Amino acid sequence: AQSVTQLGSHVSVSEGALVLLRCNYSSSVPPYLFWYVQYPNQGLQLLLKYTTGATLVKGINGFEAEFKKSETSFHLTKPSAHMSDAAEYFCAVSEAGYSTLTFGKGTMLLVSP
Amino acid sequence: EAGVVQSPRYKIIEKKQPVAFWCNPISGHNTLYWYRQNLGQGPELLIRYENEEAVDDSQLPKDRFSAERLKGVDSTLKIQPAELGDSAVYLCASSSDRANYNEQFFGPGTRLTVL
Repeated sequence: AQSVTQLGSHVSVSEGALVLLRCNYSSSVPPYLFWYVQYPNQGLQLLLKYTTGATLVKGINGFEAEFKKSETSFHLTKPSAHMSDAAEYFCAVSEAGYSTLTFGKGTMLLVSP
Repeated sequence: EAGVVQSPRYKIIEKKQPVAFWCNPISGHNTLYWYRQNLGQGPELLIRYENEEAVDDSQLPKDRFSAERLKGVDSTLKIQPAELGDSAVYLCASSSDRANYNEQFFGPGTRLTVL
């Protein structure tokens, strides 16, 4: 069975500050890892994904994440927060080659001026 | 290219009433998913279709929930009768098996409120 733990249901940053959203996963097989963003009253949009190869992956809107197998982590970062980044972020895991996703509970990112 | 379409966007019903949600996936996507997202939680899979076949419905409460995907395109999710605990956002997603990681594309969801 797979599981995802997102540390912190809410994270607050100032505009221009570093964004760090934490995700740890549990999987008995090599995982595929994803970060999705959800704006109010909208569906989920894929930010980035790790499948194989380079462990540092870059996504849309300046976000990136690093797969660390030894730490079973896939933390999401952005060097400089923008007001438009305020949204809820979900980390998800699936078994390689298998499409069902297991999501974390989400982290709400709040950006203040 | 049009995204995943869901309707209605919002639905308010009284408990014990039936309700149905409709989903039109991205053209050519053979895999369709229904998720339920409770307030403050991540989405949880209810059912997954490969074409018209339900290949994973282990989390679907079959006593009151049903789903169908006729002709392997559109899908309908039904609840009958609805209970207070069914209040949630119901998300539909689709993916293509031509992508090696099966990226899922999500619709905007249907927010159900059961009174």
